[in-house]
Amino acid sequence: QVQLQESGPGLVKPSETLSLTCTVSGGSISPYYWSWIRQPPGKGLEWIGYIYYSGTTNYNPSLKSRVTISLDTSRNQFSLRVTSVTAADTAVYYCARVAIGTYYEFDYWGQGTLVTVYS
Amino acid sequence: DIQMTQSPSSLSASVGDRVTITCRASQRISYYLNWYQQKPGKAPKLLIYAASNLQSGVPSRFSGSGSESDFTLTISSLQPEDFATYYCQQSYSTPYTFGQGTELEIK
Repeated sequence: QVQLQESGPGLVKPSETLSLTCTVSGGSISPYYWSWIRQPPGKGLEWIGYIYYSGTTNYNPSLKSRVTISLDTSRNQFSLRVTSVTAADTAVYYCARVAIGTYYEFDYWGQGTLVTVYS
Repeated sequence: DIQMTQSPSSLSASVGDRVTITCRASQRISYYLNWYQQKPGKAPKLLIYAASNLQSGVPSRFSGSGSESDFTLTISSLQPEDFATYYCQQSYSTPYTFGQGTELEIK
C-alpha cells in the first residue's frame, strides 16, 4: 500500500522560504507524477504543481515565479519550495500521487501538514 | 484556467436519502473529471475518476456520470459516514482545478 508523508516546519516568517518534503513508502517514485496541493484554512483546494519521475515539472501559473518542486529518487522523496511567503500562503499542504494509465486523478494523498506564515 | 463550479455549495439531507451534486466545467473536458470526499482534518479521498469509474474500495452507493461540461455525483442512500465535503476536479489540462466544494450536512 502506497503511503505519503509530508514533513517540514510548521511556522515560516513572511518573506522567507517554505520548504516541505514528501516521503513515499510502499511504492516507487517511477513512473508517476507527484503533486503538491494546498488548502487555506476553511477554503478549497489549489493545485500547486507536479514533478514527473524523469524530473519534468509543471507549475500553476498563479505560483510559478515562487515555486520549485524537486525529486530525490534515491530517498523516494520529492520536495516543495515556496519563496517570499506571505500570510496568503498559510495553508495545509498535501502531497499526492497522480495516477497513470487513467485520467491523471490524485489517487494517493499524504495526511497534510499545516504551514502558518506568521510575523 | 478551466473553472469548475459545483452546486449546491451546501446541502442538508437525512440518512437513507438519495443525493446528487453537480459540477460544471467552463470548457469541455471530455471525461477528465474526478470526485473527492474530504472529512474535517483529513486529506481528500478519491471516490470517482474519469467521470464514472469507482475507485477501488469505494462503496457502490457512490456513482458518477456526465461528460464534456456537465457532471454529477450521486449517493444512492446516504450513510452516516458520508457526511463530508465533496470536490470535483478537472485533470484535462493544467493548471488542474477544483470546484469550490459541496458541504453535505445532516438534516
